[in-house]
This record gives sequence, structure tokens and C-alpha cells, in this order.
Amino acid sequence: AQSVTQLGSHVSVSEGALVLLRCNYSSSVPPYLFWYVQYPNQGLQLLLKYTSAATLVKGINGFEAEFKKSETSFHLTKPSAHMSDAAEYFCAVSPGGNTGKLIFGQGTTLQVKP
Amino acid sequence: SAVISQKPSRDICQRGTSLTIQCQVDSQVTMMFWYRQQPGQSLTLIATANQGSEATYESGFVIDKFPISRPNLTFSTLTVSNMSPEDSSIYLCSVEAEYGQYFGPGTRLTVL
Repeated sequence: AQSVTQLGSHVSVSEGALVLLRCNYSSSVPPYLFWYVQYPNQGLQLLLKYTSAATLVKGINGFEAEFKKSETSFHLTKPSAHMSDAAEYFCAVSPGGNTGKLIFGQGTTLQVKP
Repeated sequence: SAVISQKPSRDICQRGTSLTIQCQVDSQVTMMFWYRQQPGQSLTLIATANQGSEATYESGFVIDKFPISRPNLTFSTLTVSNMSPEDSSIYLCSVEAEYGQYFGPGTRLTVL
């Protein structure tokens, strides 16, 4: 069965610092992996998606994620945090490829301090 | 990307009543999905809705409680029936488009 674990329910960084949000997955088949962002009182916005092509995936707003099969990880990074990055971030896996059914992690709240 | 709208955006309902949530997409899609996000929690898939067939429900969700309609390729409804305070959540519809899965803005439901 597929599952997603996000390490750290809350992450706090200073503005301009590196952002690292951790995601580990469990999948019996090659997974599709996603990162979504949810701003307060808004819906989910797709940040980026891994579909077994390039292992380093670049997304919107300067975010990127690297798929590491040996570590079953798909961590999200951004070199320099901005105040507007403060939000809830969700990692998700799609069992069986791009079927549309997503299994979400518990989410990580990113706080950016001035 | 797909543009998805939901109605209502929020509602406050009384215990024992039902609410129907509408989801409209700006393009034709084969599959639509309904998710629930309980307060402070992640998203859980309720069901998958294909046009012209019965919805497929995930474990823990049943048709009597969450009936779904999918009359065409751009529209779907989810009804939350016989509501209780435990149904207070954000309900989101989602579609699979070219680059990935896109979500509507959600319907924030509070049951008193």
C-alpha cells in the first residue's frame, strides 16, 4: 500500500534562509509524486510533479524537489525563503501512476520569520 | 491547467440536514474526485466520479452518506446527507488535467 510521511508538522525559517520540507513515501510501484501548497483559507495549488522523468523537478515560485529512489524521498527545497511562502505544504503520491487518486501526507506548516 | 469553481464557498448547517456542493470545470474531464479535509488535517479521498457510471467510494465512505452525481463531463455534485458536527470539514473537488491534478477552492462546511 502506498503512503506518505512528512517529517515535521511545523518548520520555521528566517526570511532568505533555505527551505527544506521533508517527504518520504512508500510505494510498491514506481510512484508519481506531488507537492501542493495551501495558503490560508484557499484551495490547493500544485507546486510540482514527479513522473519518472528527470529526478530533479522544478516547480513554481522557485521551489524544486529531488526524487531519490534509494532513500524513498521527495524533499521540497527553496534556496531563499520569502514571507509569502508561509503556508501549508502537502506531499502526495499517486498509486499506480497518474490515476488521479492521491494519497496525501499530513502536511507541514511553513513559518517564515522576518 | 483546469479552472474549477465550487458552490457554495461556505455554509453553516443544522444537524440532520443535507447540503449539496457543486463543482464546475472549464473543460471536459473524464474523472472528477471529491476530497475531505477535516479541521487541521490532511486531505482524504471520498470518491471518484466518472461520467455515466456510479461513483467509486473509498473505504469509510458510503453512497447513502455522500451521494454523488456526474451528469456531464464538466460538472459534479456531492451531497453530505444527514449531517452531524463530525461532518464539519472543507470539501474539495479535483480533476486530472494535462500536468497534474487540480483542486477547486473548496467548500467550508460547519455543522451545528
